[in-house]
Amino acid sequence: RKEVEQDPGPFNVPEGATVAFNCTYSNSASQSFFWYRQDCRKEPKLLMSVYSSGNEDGRFTAQLNRASQYISLLIRDSKLSDSATYLCVVNPQGAQKLVFGQGTRLTINP
Amino acid sequence: GAGVSQTPSNKVTEKGKYVELRCDPISGHTALYWYRQSLGQGPEFLIYFQGTGAADDSGLPNDRFFAVRPEGSVSTLKIQRTERGDSAVYLCASSPNIAGLKYFGPGTRLTVT
Repeated sequence: RKEVEQDPGPFNVPEGATVAFNCTYSNSASQSFFWYRQDCRKEPKLLMSVYSSGNEDGRFTAQLNRASQYISLLIRDSKLSDSATYLCVVNPQGAQKLVFGQGTRLTINP
Repeated sequence: GAGVSQTPSNKVTEKGKYVELRCDPISGHTALYWYRQSLGQGPEFLIYFQGTGAADDSGLPNDRFFAVRPEGSVSTLKIQRTERGDSAVYLCASSPNIAGLKYFGPGTRLTVT
């Protein structure tokens, strides 16, 4: 079983729609959680950290459920520029490395 | 300011050859990471340096892979006797300290023919 699992998609949604992604992680001792965004043939860039209390950044909302070991990302009022691959990332306890999921590919259609 | 830079941006080599990939971290960042990303997959951890020493090399797939960071700044990832399965994008990241946010470079796309 992979440490971090995501539905690879692709997700194709119309502009203005709300879209949600989930991912699950296997290491219950994981400490830190993130969503990264990766555009085609570019490097991953941090979108937002994920906290147990949930956090929001504009149109983006991230949630962490430690009991169920899953992380979610919600994008409201999606824009064409949101088209990218979204990577779920976990930092295991005691380790400095990041563990990435496979990524979920999102395309926003006009 | 300048971000993480990696050279070359693309490298094509023949099976069995030796390659070196270079990473210049953000100035002052003490932690440096190498990842490998295969097509359709997320980045996979290879090795992490804190200063000059490799603090965690558990992700290196085998002894053909080696990395150095002799002066605690620039790092070189070295791959001996390359195989077609080594073809991937090799990403470098740096952070100001071990707890800091990690900033990725643009990667080196390695193709082994």
